[in-house]
Amino acid sequence: NAGVTQTPKFRILKIGQSMTLQCTQDMNHNYMYWYRQDPGMGLKLIYYSVGAGITDKGEVPNGYNVSRSTTEDFPLRLELAAPSQTSVYFCATVDRGRSLYGYTFGSGTRLTVV
Amino acid sequence: DAKTTQPTSMDCAEGRAANLPCNHSTISGNEYVYWYRQIHSQGPQYIIHGLKNNETNEMASLIITEDRKSSTLILPHATLRDTAVYYCIVNSRSNFGNEKLTFGTGTRLTIIP
Repeated sequence: NAGVTQTPKFRILKIGQSMTLQCTQDMNHNYMYWYRQDPGMGLKLIYYSVGAGITDKGEVPNGYNVSRSTTEDFPLRLELAAPSQTSVYFCATVDRGRSLYGYTFGSGTRLTVV
Repeated sequence: DAKTTQPTSMDCAEGRAANLPCNHSTISGNEYVYWYRQIHSQGPQYIIHGLKNNETNEMASLIITEDRKSSTLILPHATLRDTAVYYCIVNSRSNFGNEKLTFGTGTRLTIIP
C-alpha cells in the first residue's frame, strides 16, 4: 500500500495562476482532509470530505475548492493564487468505520506564490 | 472540541524517558486524547490515543489523569529520531459528521546526544 500520495511535492506559482494539488489514497478510507501549515504554526483545516460526492468547509476555505468524485481522490484547487497561500499543504485520511485509529497524512506539497 | 495547552519546547537526553505534558481542562466525557508528532516538515504521524485508561503501544505510553484534565505522553527511551513537534489533540468520536482534528502549535522536543 502506498498510503496517501500527494503530488507535486514542490511548486512555485505566480500570483493569479491556478493549480490543482492532488491527493490519492489506496486504503479505501472514507474521510479525507486538506490542511495547510504556515511556517512555525500548527495545521489548519481547509476542506474535508466524508465520502464520495460530499465535501464541507473547514476553518480556512477561502481561495480554495475541492471535489470528491471517487473514494480514492480528493484534489484541492487554487483558482487565483495569492502570496497568502504560500504554505505546506497536507492531505489526510481516516476510516470512520474502523476502530479508533489515527489519521494517515501524506508527505505534503510545498507551495510558494510569488 | 476542547482546547489543549502544551509547553512550547522541551529538551531530553538521549536514552532517557521523555515526558510531554498536556492540559485539557475543558475536555468533555466523549472526547478522546490523541497524540501526533511531526518530524521536520513531514506529514504528522499518529502516535497514540486514549479515553480514560492509560495506554501503551510500540511507540509510547499515554497517562491520563483520573479527572481527565491532563495527560502525559511518555517516550520511554528517547532517540535522536524522536526530535519532532508533538501535538496533543482532544476530539470527539461521536460527532462523525463534523469530526476534524484541530492542531495547536505543539511542543518542540529536542533530544540531546
